[in-house]
Amino acid sequence: QVRLVESGGGVVQPGRSLRLSCAASGFTFSSHGMHWVRQAPGKGLEWVAIIWNDGTNKYYADSVQGRFTISRDNSKNTLYLELNSLRPEDTAIYYCAKDRYRTSRYFDYWGQGTLVTVSS
Amino acid sequence: DIVVTQTPISLSVTPGQPASISCKSTQSLLNSDGKTYLYWYLQKPGQSPQLLIYEVSSRFSGVPDRFSGSGSETDFTLKISRVEAEDVGIYYCMQGIYLPYTFGQGTKLEIK
Repeated sequence: QVRLVESGGGVVQPGRSLRLSCAASGFTFSSHGMHWVRQAPGKGLEWVAIIWNDGTNKYYADSVQGRFTISRDNSKNTLYLELNSLRPEDTAIYYCAKDRYRTSRYFDYWGQGTLVTVSS
Repeated sequence: DIVVTQTPISLSVTPGQPASISCKSTQSLLNSDGKTYLYWYLQKPGQSPQLLIYEVSSRFSGVPDRFSGSGSETDFTLKISRVEAEDVGIYYCMQGIYLPYTFGQGTKLEIK
């Protein structure tokens, strides 16, 4: 079955960086777009970024554009999110999510999430 | 960005009774391919979200048939025909026609 396991979260000071990973299994990773979605404590869901199956296209929410970078390694079935210039408002659970299609349409499976806390 | 608004914000339902959640978008979610890109997710307590309904009315694999979705263009509804205890959680609708994908603020379903 589809399994998505995020890692890399933790407590980080404002302005610092962090890299999140999402290990995928149970499906052909290279055939699906992948997303990051976040959820601030006690808040709703916010889409963050998408990368197409072959990595050729990437799109970001305005709130993270220029600070976050999504990437993937299809040989390792792994999705990444590089978080730079972190701000307190980036504090959230970060979920990776599998797209139903090669590009971008909607998420059909989600990981369990990894918590990022930005605090001095 | 497309704004998606859900009502009500919270819902308390007796087991066996129906429940309904409304979702409205500021733009039509009907795509030129004839599909309408409106989705429903449920986040159970302490869990990550799970897909319930895709493209307005199609139930995802394993979703009980007591869940149904309807609507068109900008107005959509999720209905639960007979609420069960396992249905508690926060329901989100999401538009997937344009990036950035945007979610409604969520509707919290509780059992009376």
